[in-house]
Order: sequence, then structure tokens, then C-alpha cells
Amino acid sequence: GESVGLHLPTLSVQEGDNSIINCAYSNSASDYFIWYKQESGKGPQFIIDIRSNMDKRQGQRVTVLLNKTVKHLSLQIAATQPGDSAVYFCAETPSSASKIIFGSGTRLSIRP
Amino acid sequence: DGGITQSPKYLFRKEGQNVTLSCEQNLNHDAMYWYRQDPGQGLRLIYYSQIVNDFQKGDIAEGYSVSREKKESFPLTVTSAQKNPTAFYLCASSIVEDPTGGFWIRNSPLHFGNGTRLTVT
Repeated sequence: GESVGLHLPTLSVQEGDNSIINCAYSNSASDYFIWYKQESGKGPQFIIDIRSNMDKRQGQRVTVLLNKTVKHLSLQIAATQPGDSAVYFCAETPSSASKIIFGSGTRLSIRP
Repeated sequence: DGGITQSPKYLFRKEGQNVTLSCEQNLNHDAMYWYRQDPGQGLRLIYYSQIVNDFQKGDIAEGYSVSREKKESFPLTVTSAQKNPTAFYLCASSIVEDPTGGFWIRNSPLHFGNGTRLTVT
């Protein structure tokens, strides 16, 4: 399959455990954040988003936490499954700009 | 099902040749984008278009060209002027919440195609 990131940070977790993927964003003026999942050979898939007026948002098995004080975003995946194995990207949109800035990604691998 | 279709999945070209990558969407989105992805890097914006017959350069537009003659189509041409064309190319689309301008993409996630892997030798 495709390798979208040969030198990405890697997080290895045991199947069934919770995963926490972190992202430090760059612009204190960013007010909209998105997490994407990219499986090998495919395009990024939207997981969850959060606006800057919130500090937590939950989806199905996923939670995004936003700490604006330290410009930190995290994605928590509950009860990690083999199908969660992928590269995860955070993205931010500064309020002063009209484009999305993507992070370089974290590779999540699952141990059986 | 609605979605974005990129073709072909794999493309091989000789150095010095232009090549056009196809992107079609049936999501009725106004905005479309082209990104380039290299190993270990985030996505970099090549070109984007808010509306038919209009497009803007992104961060790395040199050596690329686009057209937007139809709402559903946004083809990307990689020209011989692009110094390092070998990469994974991703097309995306999104709704435009404020078509009159302003921060039109701030609150809309991008929907991506499955990419085209271009190899130039």
C-alpha cells in the first residue's frame, strides 16, 4: 500500500486500549480545528471538528480536546480497534486566513 | 453515493512531459482544492477554486496549472516546469458558507478523493 509518511511520529497501542494522539497547532488566532484519518493508499477522511469556543467535543468513540492556552489539540479514541490503524492529521484554520493548515501527522499502529 | 473521484490512481510519466490529473465531485460543492502530499510532511495547497471560472494559487503553485470550467470538475496539470513532480496528489471539495467572500472555508471540513500517485522518471 501507499506510505504517506515514512518518518512520522508513531503511536503503538494495544487493541482495546484508549489512544491519545496529540497535536500542537501553530497559530493562536486559529478558531476552527479538524481531525482527519488517512488509511494507506486513501485520501484523508474527516473524523471530528471543534470550534475555538469549545474545549471538548465527542463523537462516536472519539473525543477532541482543545487547550487554547498552550495551543494543543488532542484526539482520544476509545477501545482502539485494528481498523483504527492509520495516519491521523490535525488541521487548523486561522481566523485571519482563508486556508487550512495541516500538521504532518501521527501514525497509529495497533498491537493484537 | 456522493463523493470525489480522482483518476487514475497511479500515473507514470517521463520527465519533460505535461500530465493532467482528473478530479470530479458530485457533492454539489462550490469549492475545490488540490493538495500535494510528500512523505513525512503535511498537505500543501497547490490551487483552490471557490467558484466556476475562478481559481487562486496556493502555497506551491509553481509548475502547476488548473481550470474550473464546470462546478464538478477541477483538473490539475503538472507541467514540465515543476522541479519535483513525483508525489501523491489529493483533490478535495467543500461547501462555501459565504459565497460573497470572507472566511468562506473556515467552518467547513474538506472532503477528499483517494488521490493519484504520480511518478516522473
